[in-house]
Amino acid sequence: GAVVSQHPSWVICKSGTSVKIECRSLDFQATTMFWYRQFPKQSLMLMATSNEGSKATYEQGVEKDKFLINHASLTLSTLTVTSAHPEDSSFYICSASVNRGSGTQYFGPGTRLLVL
Amino acid sequence: EDQVTQSPEALRLQEGESSSLNCSYTVSGLRGLFWYRQDPGKGPEFLFTLYSAGEEKEKERLKATLTKKESFLHITAPKPEDSATYLCAVHMNSGYSTLTFGKGTMLLVSP
Repeated sequence: GAVVSQHPSWVICKSGTSVKIECRSLDFQATTMFWYRQFPKQSLMLMATSNEGSKATYEQGVEKDKFLINHASLTLSTLTVTSAHPEDSSFYICSASVNRGSGTQYFGPGTRLLVL
Repeated sequence: EDQVTQSPEALRLQEGESSSLNCSYTVSGLRGLFWYRQDPGKGPEFLFTLYSAGEEKEKERLKATLTKKESFLHITAPKPEDSATYLCAVHMNSGYSTLTFGKGTMLLVSP
């Protein structure tokens, strides 16, 4: 149980284009979903927290107009990197939480983004 | 400032050589401490949650313990397949379920 999927697993795009990454909880309903980015040999950096049907809460320093998050249902959240640039190249990982009180998050396999 | 510090940064063991990884935390109001395993190029895999000092949890060759200031992940007789980065994270007493992660310990077990 508690399986989270991400699609695509990797994507290469040209600078200036937008990229959408999907995160799905496959066997449970997620009250909250999270988006992280991870640079090589570094830990996870939380970008934003999203609850179904409401606006995402972005961490300090994360541009909400650049990283658009939509949490349309209890099993799907999307992250759109708008007008991507090479510095946006990174490993993006989503996670989902069943119970807000427990804190336990289940992570997706990640999406590697390379912007040329 | 709340902090989560993991040590060592990297650890190399021979197969069968038991050891421990450390996660120390300075947070105001701990609701839970989590251990995850992350393989290269993959998302973290949930291992354990610990909620109170004195609590212990086991899974195969891994045992996690918690005190008021730190947590240990004990690895007994490790195998090469235990090689991974082990991440510690804390859930604090706030209105949200966000986790604060340490930088991880990269474990390499040689045959």
